[in-house]
Amino acid sequence: EVKLSESGGGLVQPGDSLRLSCVASGFTFPDFSMSWVRQAPGRGLEWISVISGSALSTSYADAMKGRFTISRDNFQSTLYLQIDSLRVEDTAVYYCAKHIYAGSEALEYWGLGTLVTVSS
Amino acid sequence: EVVMTQSPATLSVSPGERATLSCRASPGVSTFLAWYQQKPGQSPRLLIHSASTRATGIPPRFSGSGSGAEFTLTISSLQSEDFGVYYCQQYNHWPLKFGQGTKVEIK
Repeated sequence: EVKLSESGGGLVQPGDSLRLSCVASGFTFPDFSMSWVRQAPGRGLEWISVISGSALSTSYADAMKGRFTISRDNFQSTLYLQIDSLRVEDTAVYYCAKHIYAGSEALEYWGLGTLVTVSS
Repeated sequence: EVVMTQSPATLSVSPGERATLSCRASPGVSTFLAWYQQKPGQSPRLLIHSASTRATGIPPRFSGSGSGAEFTLTISSLQSEDFGVYYCQQYNHWPLKFGQGTKVEIK
């Protein structure tokens, strides 16, 4: 059974940094690209970033370039998202998602998400 | 950057009736399109990928069609558990983009 479990969210102040984690199980982690997607309260889904299975390739949404960094540890089957200089508008549930197969960017499995609240 | 537009914003359908949701992509995205269902308090669930292929475990009442710029998700006979918000997502161009969602209400 595929399982994705995010952690690292919480209440932070504007300007803080945060690293989110996503522990994966139930599949061969290095074989699949992984993405982060966020959802602000009451809003739609916003794709943040993707990382290839080998970690050699990454891509970001334009609005996320510069403050967001995606990475992965294939030995620990863990995906990360570093967010720097947090802003109030970064308040959202952050999901990690497994891509359905190599070469496809459809997101087959999602974690339950971790809530990041940015407030002074 | 691809713009994804979903319509209608809200759809009220009686159980047993057909529901038809639309998604438009500009520019076109071939068949690199997915549909997701999200219920309140839950994570999104993949329903359809490659425009018309049902994901594992998705019942046959869900079907997808279209290519290029116009896509449709059809729920042939709406069940009470099908309420929620439905999103389309293109993956033909970077960055990946979602539509704004269609809320399906049970009439």
